[in-house]
Amino acid sequence: QQQVKQSPQSLIVQKGGISIINCAYENTAFDYFPWYQQFPGKGPALLIAIRPDVSEKKEGRFTISFNKSAKQFSLHIMDSQPGDSATYFCAAKGGSEKLVFGKGTKLTVNP
Amino acid sequence: GAVVSQHPSWVICKSGTSVKIECRSLDFQATTMFWYRQFPKQSLMLMATSNEGSKATYEQGVEKDKFLINHASLTLSTLTVTSAHPEDSSFYICSASPLGRINSPLHFGNGTRLTVT
Repeated sequence: QQQVKQSPQSLIVQKGGISIINCAYENTAFDYFPWYQQFPGKGPALLIAIRPDVSEKKEGRFTISFNKSAKQFSLHIMDSQPGDSATYFCAAKGGSEKLVFGKGTKLTVNP
Repeated sequence: GAVVSQHPSWVICKSGTSVKIECRSLDFQATTMFWYRQFPKQSLMLMATSNEGSKATYEQGVEKDKFLINHASLTLSTLTVTSAHPEDSSFYICSASPLGRINSPLHFGNGTRLTVT
């Protein structure tokens, strides 16, 4: 049972464009939604996270939009750069403290 | 920021031997650490939850006798892959969150690439 569904699987964006990655969840007990960025051969690094009490959070070029009623959240990368090319994972966590990951999105930003 | 260190970053071992991977929280204490494995181009799969001073909790389908976890202190957890086989070749990643900080995020190590020949 996949608790967090992530799409698209891969994404190609031109430099300067907007990258959008979407995730949907089913478990209403989830109360923490982080996004991780992973470069090849490295562990995931926390990028930005949101809790259900807000609908949007922005940090620099990265924005999370959260729709509690639809049980969806998305990552927007503004002014995408080649250095943003990586695999992005959405995740969700509830009271059990176990982090559940989406399947990942490989982002390629062309120069 | 919170730093989680893994060692070694990569290891090659022969089939049948055992390999130990260390996970350390460098600037914080953690009663709980998590071990994941990741196959190429796939997501992270939680293997087990490591609890300081007590037995680890394994996810369904993970052999506890094959993947031995020890969490002897608040800053160190180890994963030992016993009698390794080529199918155990994978990227193993640990994570931890600071003790006592409510809603603190999980921080990940840089992973250990295990290759079993």
